[in-house]
Amino acid sequence: EDQVTQSPEALRLQEGESSSLNCSYTVSGLRGLFWYRQDPGKGPEFLFTLYSAGEEKEKERLKATLTKKESFLHITAPKPEDSATYLCAVRDPQNAGGTSYGKLTFGQGTILTVHP
Amino acid sequence: ETGVTQTPRHLVMGMTNKKSLKCEQHLGHNAMYWYKQSAKKPLELMFVYSLEERVENNSVPSRFSPECPNSSHLFLHLHTLQPEDSALYLCASSPALGDEQYFGPGTRLTVT
Repeated sequence: EDQVTQSPEALRLQEGESSSLNCSYTVSGLRGLFWYRQDPGKGPEFLFTLYSAGEEKEKERLKATLTKKESFLHITAPKPEDSATYLCAVRDPQNAGGTSYGKLTFGQGTILTVHP
Repeated sequence: ETGVTQTPRHLVMGMTNKKSLKCEQHLGHNAMYWYKQSAKKPLELMFVYSLEERVENNSVPSRFSPECPNSSHLFLHLHTLQPEDSALYLCASSPALGDEQYFGPGTRLTVT
């Protein structure tokens, strides 16, 4: 069974203090790793998709990277408005019938709090 | 309206009630999804529709019944729910199966 593990569960940073969130996965034939941001009481907001090891994507203070076993979400000089839960998800590989249901398996998330 | 909308945003229902959750996507996507999000648990996929055809029913109890009348609308019909069904129910859509998913704001359901 595919597993997605995110660490740490919670992270408290001071404004401007850069750090990284981790997402490790056990899935053969990765067909996409997704990062989302979720604010309290709201639905997840799509951030990035990564498909192959070595790939990197950036958006403002966020940069996502991918290796064969894990992904990192680097946050550079965070601001209080970056406080949220960050979720990663992996897309299941094709099933035996050759079709993909596009099912995503989500991790439990990392709760990021940035203090001013 | 833009993106993915869900109504109602909050719902309180008794165990013997019947209610429905509605989701509408304004993105021209072909796939739609229902998820359940409980406290301190990962998002749980419930149902997947592609071009109005159900392609996944993730071992969901029959007290949850989905309906997809067209590619823009998705419903979740609820009946005789249990207190443990209280959660945030999220709808999502994607351009096609496997693409990045865009989520609605969710319906906070409380079963009393």
